[in-house]
Amino acid sequence: GAGVSQTPSNKVTEKGKYVELRCDPISGHTALYWYRQSLGQGPEFLIYFQGTGAADDSGLPNDRFFAVRPEGSVSTLKIQRTERGDSAVYLCASSSGGGAHNEQFFGPGTRLTVL
Amino acid sequence: GNSVTQMEGPVTLSEEAFLTINCTYTATGYPSLFWYVQYPGEGLQLLLKATKADDKGSNKGFEATYRKETTSFHLEKGSVQVSDSAVYFCALSGDTGNQFYFGTGTSLTVIP
Repeated sequence: GAGVSQTPSNKVTEKGKYVELRCDPISGHTALYWYRQSLGQGPEFLIYFQGTGAADDSGLPNDRFFAVRPEGSVSTLKIQRTERGDSAVYLCASSSGGGAHNEQFFGPGTRLTVL
Repeated sequence: GNSVTQMEGPVTLSEEAFLTINCTYTATGYPSLFWYVQYPGEGLQLLLKATKADDKGSNKGFEATYRKETTSFHLEKGSVQVSDSAVYFCALSGDTGNQFYFGTGTSLTVIP
């Protein structure tokens, strides 16, 4: 079956602009995660959804970052007033349930470049 | 707080050599520990995991043992292959199991 997909694969924007990054999880997976991976670093947790609700958003760096999952499937990560420091690969993962016992399946990521 | 420290790369080995990638962690409570692998051009994949102390995770010839006394989860393989060339990430899950903390990754290149 299809894995986790993310669009776009690459996004170049100018400082101060608004961007949206989309994640399509594996069908039926209730848990969805967003991570940010900067160059030379490991993924950094941003937010976790269980169903439609954000169960843990403690990793969001500031109020410019927001994510939604209105129907419990597709999720959108939204970044307002982008800054050059937001440049990174944004990863999405889904699992059949939350918690450490359920394997996370990762998408290929969206590479965001803020000029 | 929770954190993972991984040995720095890059690591270059000849085929059939023994591999060790060190990973140590700091955690509150009782985390689960993971190794993820990222092959060239692909997304992160779970390689193995261990959910409690003294558990050994294993997959594709790789092994790692959850050592609470040394707070370590070192990855080992007895005989690496060219196809093992990838970036390896050690990770732990926090108390809730919902937050995951990753190391910085170790790049492995295996030469024939």
